[in-house]
Amino acid sequence: DQQVKQNSPSLSVQEGRISILNCDYTNSMFDYFLWYKKYPAEGPTFLISISSIKDKNEDGRFTVFLNKSAKHLSLHIVPSQPGDSAVYFCAASPAPPQGAQKLVFGQGTRLTINP
Amino acid sequence: EPEVTQTPSHQVTQMGQEVILRCVPISNHLYFYWYRQILGQKVEFLVSFYNNEISEKSEIFDDQFSVERPDGSNFTLKIRSTKLEDSAMYFCASSDLGLAGYEQYFGPGTRLTVT
Repeated sequence: DQQVKQNSPSLSVQEGRISILNCDYTNSMFDYFLWYKKYPAEGPTFLISISSIKDKNEDGRFTVFLNKSAKHLSLHIVPSQPGDSAVYFCAASPAPPQGAQKLVFGQGTRLTINP
Repeated sequence: EPEVTQTPSHQVTQMGQEVILRCVPISNHLYFYWYRQILGQKVEFLVSFYNNEISEKSEIFDDQFSVERPDGSNFTLKIRSTKLEDSAMYFCASSDLGLAGYEQYFGPGTRLTVT
């Protein structure tokens, strides 16, 4: 089941530069997209989300871009900080039936920020 | 800040034994979920729960699995007869469909080891 794909297993970025994490999806029924950050031995932490009616959502250093025609989304982190080093998961959800929707996760991208 | 809590953090059990994983969702949330992550693999949806019943379950969630909300605060996942392949991190999550959107908030996880 490869409905959500993160093709880069790892990414290394210099501190202060921009980090760009990419995610592709195949299911056109997906309506809502989220990015989570995960440290070892912890649960995923919600970062930012975007609805399919938008193409951009920004929250501080984090911006998510959605290209529905390409079924592609990306997370931009600028400027990157050492504390951003973690595994980043892209997740997607269809329009929820009665409100409880499942998330379909990508494989994750390990981001390393180098001083 | 409200958070999802899970107990125990690590559970070791013998094959064929029953285990109960416990979660306390965020208090005003209405939707509850279980996910799991086998080492090196994606986070996978198991089940969603709303209004005291299962909303959706995955193929993984077979008759050996059950969920329960025994009181106003706890949400449990029971595996009746554990198998070696049930060894994984199990994450509980909760969400509320308020103005904030569909974000799911995850607990720190329970590492289940079946020997």
